[in-house]
Amino acid sequence: DVKVTQSSRYLVKRTGEKVFLECVQDMDHENMFWYRQDPGLGLRLIYFSYDVKMKEKGDIPEGYSVSREKKERFSLILESASTNQTSMYLCASSLSRRGGNQPQHFGDGTRLSIL
Amino acid sequence: AQSVSQHNHHVILSEAASLELGCNYSYGGTVNLFWYVQYPGQHLQLLLKYFSGDPLVKGIKGFEAEFIKSKFSFNLRKPSVQWSDTAEYFCAVILSGGYQKVTFGTGTKLQVIP
Repeated sequence: DVKVTQSSRYLVKRTGEKVFLECVQDMDHENMFWYRQDPGLGLRLIYFSYDVKMKEKGDIPEGYSVSREKKERFSLILESASTNQTSMYLCASSLSRRGGNQPQHFGDGTRLSIL
Repeated sequence: AQSVSQHNHHVILSEAASLELGCNYSYGGTVNLFWYVQYPGQHLQLLLKYFSGDPLVKGIKGFEAEFIKSKFSFNLRKPSVQWSDTAEYFCAVILSGGYQKVTFGTGTKLQVIP
């Protein structure tokens, strides 16, 4: 079974801090994704990656960056955290690059609070 | 850009009632469709998916969904809900043959009362 592991379930940081959220998958998936989940807004894609060192902007990339140095690991970086980035962050992975028919496998999420 | 609409934001049902959650998407090309479920305190997991063939697809836990291309819809149904179905349900769309970028709906919270 696919396992997507996010490094923290809960995280509290201060405004202006640089924040790192880590995600690891154990099934050699090519695709990895970062979403934020907010009440009434569903899941919104921040960034995704199809391969090592490759990244693509999602729908709401402002204020975020990502890093994928190894296939199994995808990091989300908040360069200078702000209170409007308080949210639940979800990492997901899927098997292969093309086809459009790959279900995504999700981690448990990181609930991030910016004070 | 493609979008997904889930018009029911919060649904409350009694046990044994029938369920239908609406999902409409706005893309004219060929799409692949998914329903995901998020039980309280758990991660999102796949409920069912449609790629091609029979437009009526069956998923886990007695759920099914029907793809109606002419209506751009993929509604989720269950004949008789249980308290354990209390969860948030998300519809999602991927363009067929394209990259794996998914568009999710805003979700529907289902509360089943014993």
